[in-house]
Amino acid sequence: SQQGEEDPQALSIQEGENATMNCSYKTSINNLQWYRQNSGRGLVHLILIRSNEREKHSGRLRVTLDTSKKSSSLLITASRAADTASYFCATDAGSGNTGKLIFGQGTTLQVKP
Amino acid sequence: KAGVTQTPRYLIKTRGQQVTLSCSPISGHRSVSWYQQTPGQGLQFLFEYFSETQRNKGNFPGRFSGRQFSNSRSEMNVSTLELGDSALYLCASSAGTSGATDTQYFGPGTRLTVL
Repeated sequence: SQQGEEDPQALSIQEGENATMNCSYKTSINNLQWYRQNSGRGLVHLILIRSNEREKHSGRLRVTLDTSKKSSSLLITASRAADTASYFCATDAGSGNTGKLIFGQGTTLQVKP
Repeated sequence: KAGVTQTPRYLIKTRGQQVTLSCSPISGHRSVSWYQQTPGQGLQFLFEYFSETQRNKGNFPGRFSGRQFSNSRSEMNVSTLELGDSALYLCASSAGTSGATDTQYFGPGTRLTVL
């Protein structure tokens, strides 16, 4: 079963606007990651945030993590048409010392030029 | 470095047949994980191999199996194909030394269609 629930399922914005996606998970984690997938292709790793971190930045990306609420958010600032993709959160819940990731259902983002 | 490669990229099979998918990880990576992606179930973990040993396994029937070779290349096999096995199969490679904290690099996937 999926660990994460993502919200919204779909998001449509204009170029230049900010996009916020949320992810909630069920069990305790050591870290949470965000991935991007373009049109049914492979996933691209965006950012990893550890359970003892509250916020992390990478370029136009800002990720927050609230372990008390078991939730994370991904903010993309000044969006571009090239940001159109599906975004997934993934946690390591139950993975032990292995590479197993549990993915959310994803948010489909459309950025209109 | 070359990225993760998966072959074939597209595959069409009929029910009851078997299929083998291949994944070549990034040079130096010792961990290969496999995921199944479908519109209904999303991305689901199949298994992970590290240094030729299965290190973790997802909740899939025994028809799904895999292996890893000494050069870290991995194959997954699905026997007695069912219509529901139609999916995008993704493999990911990582150094494998820090568990799920390692950055995983995904291949482009193999699109399997079962008729």
